[in-house]
Amino acid sequence: DIQMTQSPSSLSASVGDRVTITCRASQSISSYLNWYQQKPGKAPKLLIFASSSLQSGVPSRFSGSGSGTDFTLTISSLQPEDFATYYCQQSYSTPSTFGQGTKLEIK
Amino acid sequence: EVQLLESGGGLVQPGGSLRLSCAASGFTFSSSAMSWVRQAPGKGLEWVSAIGGSGSSTYYADSVKGRFTISRDNSKNTLYLQMNSLRAEDTAVYYCARPTVTTSADYFHHWGQGTLVTVSS
Repeated sequence: DIQMTQSPSSLSASVGDRVTITCRASQSISSYLNWYQQKPGKAPKLLIFASSSLQSGVPSRFSGSGSGTDFTLTISSLQPEDFATYYCQQSYSTPSTFGQGTKLEIK
Repeated sequence: EVQLLESGGGLVQPGGSLRLSCAASGFTFSSSAMSWVRQAPGKGLEWVSAIGGSGSSTYYADSVKGRFTISRDNSKNTLYLQMNSLRAEDTAVYYCARPTVTTSADYFHHWGQGTLVTVSS
């Protein structure tokens, strides 16, 4: 199985900050990398698919990049509603696997 | 509007069984693969199982292989997960998810609200 490792596991930041979360795959996954946002008690919400494609309706302050084994999710200017947990997911091979999550907290 | 509504969760004793259902609407169910993803309390997301649109192809995580069975009834637009020999580590919120698959992408666009399964004596 492909292992997905996110860093950091948690992050404290302020409104207006630029934040970057990284995700590393244990082997090449091309661009089959997705990012989700999850708030407490809610289902995950798709933000980015295929490494860098912004899901319709998601604010443009979210962006993704990378290919192969190294990927990043960037939030250009944090808003209060962005404080949540973020997960990467590889869909290159079955079983699909998720990173362990990055909890983004208010500083 | 795509809607996925899970049901069937609850409290079950170790070694017991439970069947989850996911009622789908707003899309052509029989043409869509479907998956189950779970999340243990305070933990991350874990893909559990997937099934092709016709139901002939099924896939399982090693952690549930041989104990869980995914199936679907396309006449009822409903996805199922039969869970047998349940263990404490199966305690989780179970989400039904619909993947979007293209030539260059494969992602979960639609999710249900989840149903909680608690395995405890």
